[in-house]
Amino acid sequence: DAGVIQSPRHEVTEMGQEVTLRCKPISGHDYLFWYRQTMMRGLELLIYFNNNVPIDDSGMPEDRFSAKMPNASFSTLKIQPSEPRDSAVYFCASRLPGPLRNEQFFGPGTRLTVL
Amino acid sequence: QQQVKQSPQSLIVQKGGISIINCAYENTAFDYFPWYQQFPGKGPALLIAIRPDVSEKKEGRFTISFNKSAKQFSLHIMDSQPGDSATYFCAATPIKAAGNKLTFGGGTRVLVKP
Repeated sequence: DAGVIQSPRHEVTEMGQEVTLRCKPISGHDYLFWYRQTMMRGLELLIYFNNNVPIDDSGMPEDRFSAKMPNASFSTLKIQPSEPRDSAVYFCASRLPGPLRNEQFFGPGTRLTVL
Repeated sequence: QQQVKQSPQSLIVQKGGISIINCAYENTAFDYFPWYQQFPGKGPALLIAIRPDVSEKKEGRFTISFNKSAKQFSLHIMDSQPGDSATYFCAATPIKAAGNKLTFGGGTRVLVKP
């Protein structure tokens, strides 16, 4: 079984450019989470979806960040325009439905560098 | 109230030694406490988890100890091996809250020297 798939694995871009990160959750998982990891701030939850609907986006840093989940097997996180302080590793995670199925399965991450 | 404080930030242990990582929380609604293990270049993966109805849970060389009154929990890695070298994150969530948003600690980088 494939795990959570993220692309690209590495992205280098220049300040001001649009960046789109992609995620394919594990089939059958109805929760999808986007995290950002930095040395200074650790693992931060940006947004999560349930059944393709955004539930909590309180962690999205600012309007430059947006996330969509057009169907159960695909989600995107977009940064426009990107800034050097957005450089981080971005993780997507998914989990099964139900209150007692708590394990989140993380993808390998996308390492974003904004020059 | 949402914070989970984790210590130490890093530790070095000799092969065969015991690694101990501590976490403390404030939110009394938290009732599920997982530990995630992350190797360089990989995403975190669930290692072991505990509910507050037990004070200890053991899986192989990994043990979680939980102190509900002190609102603290810890991970013990017994007989530490070089392959255990990784970053460990504690986390907490109210198990029945919508989405089970995990609040993560800051992480502990463990290096096991051969």
